[in-house]
Amino acid sequence: NAGVTQTPKFRVLKTGQSMTLLCAQDMNHEYMYWYRQDPGMGLRLIHYSVGEGTTAKGEVPDGYNVSRLKKQNFLLGLESAAPSQTSVYFCASRDLTGANSPLHFGNGTRLTVT
Amino acid sequence: GQNIDQPTEMTATEGAIVQINCTYQTSGFNGLFWYQQHAGEAPTFLSYNVLDGLEEKGRFSSFLSRSKGYSYLLLKELQMKDSASYLCAVRDGGNNRLAFGKGNQVVVIP
Repeated sequence: NAGVTQTPKFRVLKTGQSMTLLCAQDMNHEYMYWYRQDPGMGLRLIHYSVGEGTTAKGEVPDGYNVSRLKKQNFLLGLESAAPSQTSVYFCASRDLTGANSPLHFGNGTRLTVT
Repeated sequence: GQNIDQPTEMTATEGAIVQINCTYQTSGFNGLFWYQQHAGEAPTFLSYNVLDGLEEKGRFSSFLSRSKGYSYLLLKELQMKDSASYLCAVRDGGNNRLAFGKGNQVVVIP
């Protein structure tokens, strides 16, 4: 049982390049989330999805797009990377059993934009 | 919106007890979570409180006071492996989103 899997684990981009981060979960969870974590800032929500085919903006959505074409996958896209997007990106998922259902996190993608 | 405040760092001795505080302000409250995050790793779930009072889970306990917008995580019999960042997160009742505090780094020394 893999849980939440993120690919790639590391990536270096040049300013202006694009890339897609992939998140896959095998727990049949409805909700999926993308967070970024920066020193001194804590985890901040970028976008999230409450089910297949749905997406919504979080706290810091600018410069990112997402898609949830399949229930198990949640993709985060950077159309034109900027140095300010250097960060560690975490994907998470949770089920609908109740408000107490915790987030399950992937191991993160460490992105550097030069 | 939500505003979550945690102290940034503390050092404690192996075998000791440490209390990590979290205060929050939110327009709607639907539960408070504590996560543990070791350096370079993903956060992992520790505890959940939605009603006032103390929840105990082995060496870890978490307390909530909704009227004061306050929670603490108590770590007993500290072990070296408890050196980590501890994240407080509040679920907004309106949109069910989870907002995280900046985390409290606990360093356990022999």
